[in-house]
Amino acid sequence: AQSVSQHNHHVILSEAASLELGCNYSYGGTVNLFWYVQYPGQHLQLLLKYFSGDPLVKGIKGFEAEFIKSKFSFNLRKPSVQWSDTAEYFCAVNAGSGTYKYIFGTGTRLKVLA
Amino acid sequence: DTEVTQTPKHLVMGMTNKKSLKCEQHMGHRAMYWYKQKAKKPPELMFVYSYEKLSINESVPSRFSPECPNSSLLNLHLHALQPEDSALYLCASSQTGSSGNTIYFGEGSWLTVV
Repeated sequence: AQSVSQHNHHVILSEAASLELGCNYSYGGTVNLFWYVQYPGQHLQLLLKYFSGDPLVKGIKGFEAEFIKSKFSFNLRKPSVQWSDTAEYFCAVNAGSGTYKYIFGTGTRLKVLA
Repeated sequence: DTEVTQTPKHLVMGMTNKKSLKCEQHMGHRAMYWYKQKAKKPPELMFVYSYEKLSINESVPSRFSPECPNSSLLNLHLHALQPEDSALYLCASSQTGSSGNTIYFGEGSWLTVV
């Protein structure tokens, strides 16, 4: 069965620090990969996605992620975080074509100190 | 702003009540989803409709009854719920067919069962 692991459950950073959140998945076939963000009291919003092509994907708000197929990873990065990035971040995997199962990781709660 | 609209935003119901959650999207998506999210947990898939037909039921108890009246609407009928069913219920939609579909979430309906 597919699974998604996010190893960092809670991350606390100061403003301007660099961010990297880990995401690993278990599925041997073609995958579509997503990062979603959920600000306090708000709905899940898409940060970025990878379907194919360039493994380095740029998203909104200065976020990027790199797909490393050999490591089954899709880590999220941001060079300099802001207080407004305080939120919960979910990695999600959708396996192959024609499937409607989007599996979410357990989430990483990021707190940025001003 | 999300293009998936959910009502009501908040719902408090007794264990003997019957209520419904409603979801609407006008993005022309033909796949619609119900997810359940408990506090500090990732969203868990409940149901998927594809072309108004139930495609996935993740072994959800029968006290939850989904309905897809047309391609834009998705309902979740609730009856005889338990306090542990209290959660955020998220509706989502996506295109169907080939791989690489992004799932878009509504703001959710906060349900409290008393």
